[in-house]
Amino acid sequence: SQQGEEDPQALSIQEGENATMNCSYKTSINNLQWYRQNSGRGLVHLILIRSNEREKHSGRLRVTLDTSKKSSSLLITASRAADTASYFCATDSNSGYALNFGKGTSLLVTP
Amino acid sequence: DSGVTQTPKHLITATGQRVTLRCSPRSGDLSVYWYQQSLDQGLQFLIQYYNGEERAKGNILERFSAQQFPDLHSELNLSSLELGDSALYFCASSPLRASLYEQYFGPGTRLTVT
Repeated sequence: SQQGEEDPQALSIQEGENATMNCSYKTSINNLQWYRQNSGRGLVHLILIRSNEREKHSGRLRVTLDTSKKSSSLLITASRAADTASYFCATDSNSGYALNFGKGTSLLVTP
Repeated sequence: DSGVTQTPKHLITATGQRVTLRCSPRSGDLSVYWYQQSLDQGLQFLIQYYNGEERAKGNILERFSAQQFPDLHSELNLSSLELGDSALYFCASSPLRASLYEQYFGPGTRLTVT
C-alpha cells in the first residue's frame, strides 16, 4: 500500500521560478527518497535523505525532512522547462526491503 | 541510461492470455524489484528478489508470479490476463536493501490487454 502522499497533485510554474513539492507519510521510516519520472519513462533517483538528517542539497534540489511531522519537501530552484516531469517520494517499508511510492506531483514548467 | 534493461518494450495481448516480462538488473546489483504503474493505482510495489530468493511481497495478485535466476535476471509472469492488468510494469535494481540504496529503474514494459 502507498504510504507517501505528495502535495500538490499538479503544479504549473514559469521557468526561473522555484517549485516546492511536499510529501507526507504515515509510519516511521529509515529513509525517504525522491524520484523523478518523465512521461511514460522509468523513474530516476534524485536524492535520499536519512531519518537523522534534516536537510540535504543536490545541485538545484533541496530536500527537507521533518520526522516529527512525518513530512518532507522537495524544492527545485530556478526551474527549467526540462524539469517538467512527475516527482515521487518513496518511503521504505517496515521490512526495509521495498519502497512505497506516493501518487506523485506533476510539475509543468513553461518557458 | 540506468543500466537496467527490460523486454519487451510494448506488449499487446488478449484477455485470458499469459505473458512474461524480462528484466536484467544493473551489473553487480543483487536485488530486483517489480512495480506496476497505472493511472488509478499509481506506482505499486509487486515483489522483490534478492540473489535468487523472494524477499518481500507487495500487492501482487495470485495470477502473477516472478522469479530471479542464477544470472540475476528476473522474469514476471502474468497469467489469465484481465483488462485491468493493462499498465506499465517497471523493474528496478539495487545493490542491497531498498532503504539503504537508491533504486535504478528500467524503461518499463507497457502492457495492453484487449
